[in-house]
Amino acid sequence: GAGVSQSPSNKVTEKGKDVELRCDPISGHTALYWYRQSLGQGLEFLIYFQGNSAPDKSGLPSDRFSAERTGGSVSTLTIQRTQQEDSAVYLCASSYGTSKTDTQYFGPGTRLTVL
Amino acid sequence: GQQVMQIPQYQHVQEGEDFTTYCNSSTTLSNIQWYKQRPGGHPVFLIQLVKSGEVKKQKRLTFQFGEAKKNSSLHITATQTTDVGTYFCAGPEGSGGGADGLTFGKGTHLIIQP
Repeated sequence: GAGVSQSPSNKVTEKGKDVELRCDPISGHTALYWYRQSLGQGLEFLIYFQGNSAPDKSGLPSDRFSAERTGGSVSTLTIQRTQQEDSAVYLCASSYGTSKTDTQYFGPGTRLTVL
Repeated sequence: GQQVMQIPQYQHVQEGEDFTTYCNSSTTLSNIQWYKQRPGGHPVFLIQLVKSGEVKKQKRLTFQFGEAKKNSSLHITATQTTDVGTYFCAGPEGSGGGADGLTFGKGTHLIIQP
């Protein structure tokens, strides 16, 4: 079946502009995660959604970052007033259940470049 | 907060040599997961270990979970060029109930020389 999809695959923006990144999880997966990966670095947890419940925003680096998930499926990560340090690959992952033992399936990521 | 550390950061090996990466957590983990990321790609799940002292094998890959569930290792026997990539270990964020994100180590970059 289809995996996790993300769009756009690449985004170049100017400092100060807002950007929206989209994630379509695997159908039937209830949990959705956003991570950020800077060049050559590990993955930084940003936010987690479980179904329609209020998200765990504990990983968001600043109040310029927000995310929503509509209808328990598609999610959008929004970065307002982008800064150069926001440049990174933003990865979305989904998992079937709610257990910490569930495998997370990653999308291909959105490479964000802030000029 | 929870920290997951991996060593080495980079490992150069000749094709056919063995490779090992080590993962250590500052807290006890309910489980540990390993992912592989090919250059330019996204992380792909390899395996999950749950039990203390657990050992799992996938062909040339051997994964171990420490007795105290705070460390883990991945060993590749007789590396091949297809093994090139970054290997990440990851443990669940936090210790409470319910699912959270994963805390990833910084990864070990495996470079193979033919």
